[in-house]
Formats: sequence, structure tokens, C-alpha cells
Amino acid sequence: AQKITQTQPGMFVQEKEAVTLDCTYDTSDPSYGLFWYKQPSSGEMIFLIYQGSYDQQNATEGRYSLNFQKARKSANLVISASQLGDSAMYFCAMRGYNDMRFGAGTRLTVKP
Amino acid sequence: DAGVTQSPTHLIKTRGQQVTLRCSPKSGHDTVSWYQQALGQGPQFIFQYYEEEERQRGNFPDRFSGHQFPNYSSELNVNALLLGDSALYLCASSLGPGQGVSEAYEQYFGPGTRLTVT
Repeated sequence: AQKITQTQPGMFVQEKEAVTLDCTYDTSDPSYGLFWYKQPSSGEMIFLIYQGSYDQQNATEGRYSLNFQKARKSANLVISASQLGDSAMYFCAMRGYNDMRFGAGTRLTVKP
Repeated sequence: DAGVTQSPTHLIKTRGQQVTLRCSPKSGHDTVSWYQQALGQGPQFIFQYYEEEERQRGNFPDRFSGHQFPNYSSELNVNALLLGDSALYLCASSLGPGQGVSEAYEQYFGPGTRLTVT
């Protein structure tokens, strides 16, 4: 069965610094997709970045990059130059052949 | 370009009642997925609709059912409500059923419907 683990319930980062949010996964599917979403207090899930299991290079989207280590089954999100508006819940998710699973989330707080 | 819309925003029901939640996908999208997000947890996949058929289903009982209309909008129905059904229900739309998992399968989420069962 697929499983997504986010071991950091909460993280703090100083404004303008970089932060890494951890995500590990487990799946028996040979092909899968990994995603990160941001959920502000308003509740809407905002897509940030995607990594395919066969992608050779780590995905990047502006200030977001995904540190994909397939052998370790990890897909950590790196946010560079944190901004106050980055404060939110962040969810790692994996899509396999049958469904899409989300982790429990990490609450990121950016300090001024 | 309208994004994903959901109605109602909030809903309060009593145990044993039935509820219908509605979702309109982003313009150009033909696939709708539904998720349940309990307080303090990540979303859990309920099911996905494409071409008016349920294509995939998560680990939810038959009390949870859905429908997709020719205009791609969708409904989520929950019968015999339990207290544990209280949650934020999220709808997400995408283009195609996303069977190619190695493709960029980007879902756009709606703002959700907050269901409270008393």
C-alpha cells in the first residue's frame, strides 16, 4: 500500500532564509508522481511542484525545488528566500496507479 | 478563467441525514476528484469521475456516492451521516483521468465545503 510520511508537524524559518520540508514515501508502483501543495488558512489547496518518478532532474518552480532521492524514497521541498506569505500548511502527496495519497502535513511559520 | 467552484461553503447536518455537495471544474477540465480532509489531517481520496463514470475509488464506504454530469460538474452524496463525516470536502479538477502517473498530473482544488454533523 502507498504511504506518505511527513515527520515535521511544525517548522519555523526566518524571513529570507531557506527551509526544507521533509517527505518520505513508500509504494510498490513502478511509476508514480510526487506533488507538493500549500494550504493557507483559507483552506484551498495550491499546487506548488511536481516530480515524476522517472524524471532525471529535480523539479524546480521559482522559489520551490524538490530534492528527489529515489533510492531513499524521499521528496523534500526546499523553499528559498522565505516570505511571510509562505506561512501555511504544506502537504506532500503521491499519485500511483490507483489513487492519490497525502501526508499529514507540515505547518510552516515564517518569522519576520 | 473561472477556477474550481464548490457549493455550499458551509453546511450543518444531523446524524442520519443525507447531504449533497456540488463542484464545478475549472474551465477546460473534464475530470473531478473528491477528497475528505478531517481537521488536522491531510486530504483522503474518495473517488474520481471521468466521462460521467467513477474511475477510481479510495477506501470509503458505499454511503459515499457521486455523479458527474455532461458539463463535467459533479456531486458528492453522503447518506446516513455520522459524526465522523464532519470534515472539509475538497473537489479537484484536472484534464484527463491522470492515468499516466509519470505525466504532470496537476489538479486544481476548489475552496472546499465545510460539513459539520451534529
